[in-house]
Amino acid sequence: GAGVSQSPSNKVTEKGKDVELRCDPISGHTALYWYRQSLGQGLEFLIYFQGNSAPDKSGLPSDRFSAERTGGSVSTLTIQRTQQEDSAVYLCASSPTGQGVDTEAFFGQGTRLTVV
Amino acid sequence: AQSVTQLGSHVSVSEGALVLLRCNYSSSVPPYLFWYVQYPNQGLQLLLKYTSAATLVKGINGFEAEFKKSETSFHLTKPSAHMSDAAEYFCAVTYTGRRALTFGSGTRLQVQP
Repeated sequence: GAGVSQSPSNKVTEKGKDVELRCDPISGHTALYWYRQSLGQGLEFLIYFQGNSAPDKSGLPSDRFSAERTGGSVSTLTIQRTQQEDSAVYLCASSPTGQGVDTEAFFGQGTRLTVV
Repeated sequence: AQSVTQLGSHVSVSEGALVLLRCNYSSSVPPYLFWYVQYPNQGLQLLLKYTSAATLVKGINGFEAEFKKSETSFHLTKPSAHMSDAAEYFCAVTYTGRRALTFGSGTRLQVQP
């Protein structure tokens, strides 16, 4: 695709419900990242996928958060038993290669999650 | 551990004035530094990056940043602000072996006519 696509763009959910956020990376990009942007707290790394390697989950804040990447392309971030502090904008990014820290990451527009 | 500190959550300048957005980093290993811009309702876009080549880095839209190891700084500048520069700017750091970026808390730039 032309860019990183995320859906839905907005999601309102009740506390305690599970939510799934989807990310379609740029075609051919092997690396995929999830970040969380909370009000007043900047961007927080959540998880990183590179090809078929085991993902780097070091940023996931609790075991309620999980993510998968199917076929090396689309990724889904799942939040179980949502809580109000999960309200944030969830950003997905992809980059064309897993090698080289100077490789630019391309970001989607994000999913704004509101837990009520 | 690495971190970045952006001094000033809000900066306001007049159109045509110098833009200076401050970023200081903390890293025990050689850092790679980035500036990203986020326009309203859009994703982040890379402005420029420092990857141990030239210390003065030029980016898009007339922005540049200088890596100063002695000051552990990577401040973003633009000689003359334009109304279209109004956005939120994020400084970020990473290092060899780590792909994820560590972001600062962001600076919102307002440009007054």
